[in-house]
Amino acid sequence: SAVISQKPSRDICQRGTSLTIQCQVDSQVTMMFWYRQQPRQSLTLIATANQGSEATYESGFVIDKFPISRPNLTFSTLTVSNMSPEDSSIYLCSVLGDRGYTFGSGTRLTVV
Amino acid sequence: AQSVTQLGSHVSVSEGALVLLRCNYSSSVPPYLFWYVQYPNQGLQLLLKYTTGATLVKGINGFEAEFKKSETSFHLTKPSAHMSDAAEYFCAVRISSGSARQLTFGSGTQLTVLP
Repeated sequence: SAVISQKPSRDICQRGTSLTIQCQVDSQVTMMFWYRQQPRQSLTLIATANQGSEATYESGFVIDKFPISRPNLTFSTLTVSNMSPEDSSIYLCSVLGDRGYTFGSGTRLTVV
Repeated sequence: AQSVTQLGSHVSVSEGALVLLRCNYSSSVPPYLFWYVQYPNQGLQLLLKYTTGATLVKGINGFEAEFKKSETSFHLTKPSAHMSDAAEYFCAVRISSGSARQLTFGSGTQLTVLP
Protein backbone atom coordinates (compact mmCIF):
# COMPACT_ATOMS: atom_id res chain seq x y z
CA SER A 1 0.00 0.00 0.00
CA ALA A 2 1.00 3.64 -0.38
CA VAL A 3 3.29 5.21 2.18
CA ILE A 4 2.37 8.66 3.49
CA SER A 5 4.68 11.21 5.04
CA GLN A 6 2.70 13.80 6.96
CA LYS A 7 4.36 16.87 8.46
CA PRO A 8 4.54 18.30 11.03
CA SER A 9 3.71 15.53 13.46
CA ARG A 10 2.70 18.06 16.08
CA ASP A 11 2.70 21.78 16.70
CA ILE A 12 1.64 24.33 19.27
CA CYS A 13 0.34 27.52 17.70
CA GLN A 14 -0.87 30.90 18.84
CA ARG A 15 -4.49 31.77 18.22
CA GLY A 16 -5.03 33.87 15.14
CA THR A 17 -2.16 32.30 13.23
CA SER A 18 -2.25 29.67 10.47
CA LEU A 19 -0.61 26.28 10.10
CA THR A 20 -0.02 24.36 6.88
CA ILE A 21 0.11 20.58 7.04
CA GLN A 22 1.80 18.63 4.28
CA CYS A 23 0.98 15.18 2.98
CA GLN A 24 3.46 13.46 0.66
CA VAL A 25 2.68 10.07 -0.89
CA ASP A 26 5.26 7.71 -2.37
CA SER A 27 3.07 6.90 -5.37
CA GLN A 28 0.48 8.59 -7.53
CA VAL A 29 -2.99 8.34 -6.09
CA THR A 30 -6.27 9.53 -7.48
CA MET A 31 -8.00 10.45 -4.29
CA MET A 32 -6.73 12.22 -1.19
CA PHE A 33 -8.75 13.12 1.86
CA TRP A 34 -8.30 15.29 4.93
CA TYR A 35 -9.88 14.30 8.25
CA ARG A 36 -10.11 15.88 11.67
CA GLN A 37 -10.10 13.84 14.85
CA GLN A 38 -11.07 15.91 17.84
CA PRO A 39 -10.11 14.75 21.33
CA ARG A 40 -11.81 11.47 22.21
CA GLN A 41 -13.93 11.61 19.06
CA SER A 42 -14.07 9.91 15.70
CA LEU A 43 -12.72 11.02 12.37
CA THR A 44 -14.69 13.64 10.50
CA LEU A 45 -14.05 14.26 6.83
CA ILE A 46 -13.05 17.85 6.10
CA ALA A 47 -12.68 17.62 2.34
CA THR A 48 -11.62 15.58 -0.66
CA ALA A 49 -8.55 17.07 -2.30
CA ASN A 50 -8.93 17.06 -6.08
CA GLN A 51 -5.90 17.27 -8.31
CA GLY A 52 -5.99 20.35 -10.47
CA SER A 53 -9.28 21.67 -9.15
CA GLU A 54 -10.87 23.03 -6.00
CA ALA A 55 -11.33 20.69 -3.07
CA THR A 56 -14.77 19.31 -2.25
CA TYR A 57 -15.71 20.33 1.28
CA GLU A 58 -18.08 18.57 3.64
CA SER A 59 -20.88 20.32 5.44
CA GLY A 60 -19.53 22.53 8.19
CA PHE A 61 -16.15 23.10 6.62
CA VAL A 62 -15.30 26.02 4.34
CA ILE A 63 -12.43 26.88 2.06
CA ASP A 64 -11.60 30.14 3.82
CA LYS A 65 -10.94 28.28 7.07
CA PHE A 66 -9.34 25.14 5.60
CA PRO A 67 -7.77 25.94 2.24
CA ILE A 68 -6.41 22.87 0.48
CA SER A 69 -3.94 22.53 -2.34
CA ARG A 70 -3.35 19.49 -4.54
CA PRO A 71 -0.79 20.45 -7.17
CA ASN A 72 -0.10 16.87 -8.31
CA LEU A 73 -1.02 13.24 -7.66
CA THR A 74 1.47 12.74 -4.82
CA PHE A 75 1.14 15.86 -2.68
CA SER A 76 -1.45 17.92 -0.84
CA THR A 77 -1.53 20.56 1.86
CA LEU A 78 -4.19 21.57 4.37
CA THR A 79 -4.02 24.96 6.02
CA VAL A 80 -5.83 25.69 9.25
CA SER A 81 -6.40 29.44 9.14
CA ASN A 82 -6.98 32.03 11.84
CA MET A 83 -6.77 29.35 14.49
CA SER A 84 -8.69 29.27 17.75
CA PRO A 85 -8.45 26.79 20.65
CA GLU A 86 -11.44 24.94 19.14
CA ASP A 87 -9.19 23.94 16.24
CA SER A 88 -7.02 21.88 18.58
CA SER A 89 -7.26 18.43 17.09
CA ILE A 90 -5.47 15.73 15.15
CA TYR A 91 -5.54 16.26 11.40
CA LEU A 92 -5.04 13.22 9.18
CA CYS A 93 -4.32 12.80 5.53
CA SER A 94 -5.64 9.71 3.78
CA VAL A 95 -5.27 8.36 0.27
CA LEU A 96 -7.06 5.77 -1.79
CA GLY A 97 -4.58 3.82 -3.86
CA ASP A 98 -4.57 0.57 -5.77
CA ARG A 99 -4.42 -1.42 -2.54
CA GLY A 100 -6.96 0.49 -0.55
CA TYR A 101 -6.89 3.32 1.97
CA THR A 102 -3.80 4.48 3.78
CA PHE A 103 -3.67 7.03 6.58
CA GLY A 104 -0.90 9.35 7.61
CA SER A 105 0.26 9.33 11.21
CA GLY A 106 -1.50 12.63 11.82
CA THR A 107 -0.65 16.14 12.93
CA ARG A 108 -1.47 16.90 16.55
CA LEU A 109 -2.33 20.59 16.72
CA THR A 110 -2.68 22.53 19.95
CA VAL A 111 -3.85 26.14 19.76
CA VAL A 112 -3.09 28.32 22.76
CA ALA B 1 -25.94 9.17 2.79
CA GLN B 2 -24.28 6.45 4.76
CA SER B 3 -23.71 6.31 8.51
CA VAL B 4 -22.16 4.05 11.11
CA THR B 5 -23.15 3.38 14.70
CA GLN B 6 -20.79 1.72 17.13
CA LEU B 7 -22.55 0.53 20.25
CA GLY B 8 -20.44 1.01 23.36
CA SER B 9 -17.79 3.69 23.47
CA HIS B 10 -15.84 1.62 26.00
CA VAL B 11 -15.56 -2.15 26.20
CA SER B 12 -13.54 -4.04 28.82
CA VAL B 13 -12.67 -7.71 28.61
CA SER B 14 -10.37 -10.00 30.53
CA GLU B 15 -7.29 -11.35 28.85
CA GLY B 16 -8.25 -14.56 27.06
CA ALA B 17 -11.93 -13.65 26.84
CA LEU B 18 -13.99 -13.11 23.71
CA VAL B 19 -13.85 -9.67 22.15
CA LEU B 20 -17.06 -8.40 20.53
CA LEU B 21 -17.24 -4.86 19.16
CA ARG B 22 -20.53 -3.89 17.58
CA CYS B 23 -21.06 -1.94 14.39
CA ASN B 24 -24.29 -1.19 12.55
CA TYR B 25 -24.46 0.75 9.33
CA SER B 26 -26.95 2.60 7.21
CA SER B 27 -26.51 2.82 3.48
CA SER B 28 -28.86 3.27 0.55
CA VAL B 29 -26.64 1.12 -1.67
CA PRO B 30 -24.57 -1.97 -0.93
CA PRO B 31 -21.73 -0.89 1.33
CA TYR B 32 -18.08 -1.57 1.67
CA LEU B 33 -17.25 -2.01 5.35
CA PHE B 34 -14.01 -1.61 7.25
CA TRP B 35 -12.57 -2.00 10.73
CA TYR B 36 -9.55 0.06 11.73
CA VAL B 37 -7.46 0.05 14.89
CA GLN B 38 -5.68 3.05 16.33
CA TYR B 39 -3.01 2.70 18.97
CA PRO B 40 -2.10 5.74 21.09
CA ASN B 41 -0.32 8.45 19.13
CA GLN B 42 -0.41 6.40 15.95
CA GLY B 43 -2.33 6.43 12.68
CA LEU B 44 -5.10 4.08 11.65
CA GLN B 45 -4.29 0.52 10.70
CA LEU B 46 -6.67 -1.60 8.65
CA LEU B 47 -7.82 -4.75 10.45
CA LEU B 48 -10.13 -6.08 7.78
CA LYS B 49 -12.63 -5.11 5.14
CA TYR B 50 -15.68 -6.43 3.36
CA THR B 51 -16.36 -5.53 -0.25
CA THR B 52 -18.03 -8.47 -1.97
CA GLY B 53 -18.08 -12.25 -1.71
CA ALA B 54 -17.73 -14.19 1.52
CA THR B 55 -19.54 -12.46 4.34
CA LEU B 56 -17.16 -13.73 7.03
CA VAL B 57 -13.98 -11.75 6.72
CA LYS B 58 -10.74 -12.62 8.48
CA GLY B 59 -8.24 -9.91 9.29
CA ILE B 60 -4.96 -9.41 11.02
CA ASN B 61 -4.15 -10.25 14.63
CA GLY B 62 -6.85 -12.93 14.83
CA PHE B 63 -9.79 -10.59 14.28
CA GLU B 64 -12.75 -11.38 12.08
CA ALA B 65 -16.07 -9.77 11.20
CA GLU B 66 -19.26 -10.97 9.59
CA PHE B 67 -21.35 -8.89 7.22
CA LYS B 68 -25.02 -9.47 7.95
CA LYS B 69 -27.15 -7.62 5.46
CA SER B 70 -30.44 -8.51 7.16
CA GLU B 71 -29.18 -6.98 10.41
CA THR B 72 -27.16 -4.19 8.75
CA SER B 73 -24.31 -5.20 11.01
CA PHE B 74 -20.58 -5.81 10.77
CA HIS B 75 -19.50 -6.80 14.28
CA LEU B 76 -15.82 -7.39 15.04
CA THR B 77 -14.79 -10.43 17.07
CA LYS B 78 -11.70 -12.14 18.39
CA PRO B 79 -11.91 -15.43 20.30
CA SER B 80 -9.24 -14.61 22.86
CA ALA B 81 -8.18 -11.11 23.86
CA HIS B 82 -4.55 -10.24 24.32
CA MET B 83 -3.15 -7.31 26.27
CA SER B 84 -1.78 -5.90 23.03
CA ASP B 85 -5.32 -5.58 21.66
CA ALA B 86 -6.00 -2.59 23.91
CA ALA B 87 -6.65 0.28 21.50
CA GLU B 88 -9.36 2.35 19.83
CA TYR B 89 -11.36 0.58 17.14
CA PHE B 90 -13.28 2.31 14.36
CA CYS B 91 -15.86 0.88 12.02
CA ALA B 92 -16.20 2.66 8.68
CA VAL B 93 -18.46 2.46 5.64
CA ARG B 94 -18.22 3.51 2.04
CA ILE B 95 -20.76 3.20 -0.70
CA SER B 96 -19.90 0.67 -3.38
CA SER B 97 -21.15 2.64 -6.38
CA GLY B 98 -20.97 6.18 -7.69
CA SER B 99 -18.04 8.55 -7.58
CA ALA B 100 -17.85 9.14 -3.83
CA ARG B 101 -14.94 7.29 -2.27
CA GLN B 102 -14.67 8.81 1.18
CA LEU B 103 -15.04 6.74 4.33
CA THR B 104 -17.59 7.54 7.01
CA PHE B 105 -16.45 6.51 10.46
CA GLY B 106 -18.27 5.43 13.58
CA SER B 107 -17.60 7.12 16.88
CA GLY B 108 -15.08 4.50 17.95
CA THR B 109 -14.84 1.91 20.72
CA GLN B 110 -12.04 1.98 23.27
CA LEU B 111 -11.09 -1.60 24.13
CA THR B 112 -9.48 -2.26 27.50
CA VAL B 113 -7.99 -5.67 28.23
CA LEU B 114 -7.77 -6.56 31.89
CA PRO B 115 -5.08 -8.91 33.20
